Parts: sequence; structure tokens; C-alpha cells
Amino acid sequence: QIQLVQSGPELKKPGESVKISCKASGYTFTDYAMHWVKQAPGKGLKWMGWINTYTGKPTYADDFKGRFVFSLEASASTANLQISNLKNEDTATYFCARLSLTTVGDYYVMDAWGQGASVTVSS
Amino acid sequence: NTVMTQSPTSMFISVGDRVTMNCKASQNVGTNVDWYQQKTGQSPKLLIYGASNRYTGVPDRFTGSGSGTDFTLTISNMQAEDLAVYYCLQYNYNLTFGSGTKLEIK
Repeated sequence: QIQLVQSGPELKKPGESVKISCKASGYTFTDYAMHWVKQAPGKGLKWMGWINTYTGKPTYADDFKGRFVFSLEASASTANLQISNLKNEDTATYFCARLSLTTVGDYYVMDAWGQGASVTVSS
Repeated sequence: NTVMTQSPTSMFISVGDRVTMNCKASQNVGTNVDWYQQKTGQSPKLLIYGASNRYTGVPDRFTGSGSGTDFTLTISNMQAEDLAVYYCLQYNYNLTFGSGTKLEIK
């Protein structure tokens, strides 16, 4: 079955970096884009951007340009999110989600999600 | 950027109620809207795609409607397991989530 398994919780200090992984299984990794979504504690979902898993090209939402990097280890069917120069406001759960195209109507859906990776930034 | 304004922010409901929540887009997004359900401590799950199409395995008490700028998710005959936060998502211009509607027991 299709699964996205993310790395474990992280506790970091301000100014440090963190790398979160998202390992896909059950489908051909390079056939589907991978999106990243942030959820701060008690808050809603915020789209961060996506990476083309075939070409490796990342696209970032405006609020996530600069300190955020999407990358791939395609041979391991893994997408990564790296955040540098961590700030307190980066404390959140980060989800990876596969974007699929439906066979009915050609609509896009996030039909598989990782379990979320918690990042806590605290001095 | 397309803003998705969801209302209400929260609703207090009883089992068996009919529940209606709304999402308004700041510009025309056609029918490029999905609805997701997120229960506490879980990842979001797809309910409705293309504004009105029920995803595989989603109970028929969930109905989506709308096009252009106004969208609605209706839950007929609310069940206890439907307690969650519901988000709309537009993907006509990049992607934007609404702020969510939280369903709580009255």
C-alpha cells in the first residue's frame, strides 16, 4: 500500500538547522510531485511548496523562500526538507503529501500524507 | 495570492445534525477546490475533490458544492467520528488552504 513515512521529532536551538525526511513506498516515486505543509501548534495548514520528483526542481511559496530547501534522494524514494537558521516560529509539525491527478475530471488531490514530523525550536 | 476564507471558525453540533461550512475564494478558482478532514493528532485526509466529487471510501453524508468563488461542505446526519477540523484547499493559483472549521460537541 502507498505510504509516506517521515522522520522523528527534533528539538533544536535557534540558529541551528534541521533536515526532515519523507520516505515513500508502494508506488513509483518519480511519478508524483511531493508537497510540504506546515502546521504550527494549534494552527491551520500552510502550503510550503513542492518538488518535482522527476526533475528535482523545487518551487517555494512566498513565505518559505530563503531558509527552506526541498531535496531528493530519488534512489531511496525519499524527499527531504531542510530548514536553516531556525527561529522560534519554525516550531511546527511538517507534513509531506503526494499530489495525484484524478482519473475523473483531471483534478489534483493530496491523496497520501506522511504522519508529520515535529520540530521544536527552543533555547 | 488567492485567499480562502472559511466560515465559521468553529461550530458546536450534536450527533444527527446537518452541518454546513463555507469557503470563499478571493478570486475565481473554478472547481479546483478540495476538502480535507483532520482529526486531532492525525494527518489530513481527502474528502472531496473538484469541489463536488466524493473521494473513494468517503461516506455519502459528506457533500461538496460550489464553483467560482463560493464553496460549501455539508455533513448530513453528523456522526461522532466526524468531529474534526475541516479545511478547503484551492489549487487554481499555486495552493492555498482555508483557515479551517472546527466541529465540537454541543
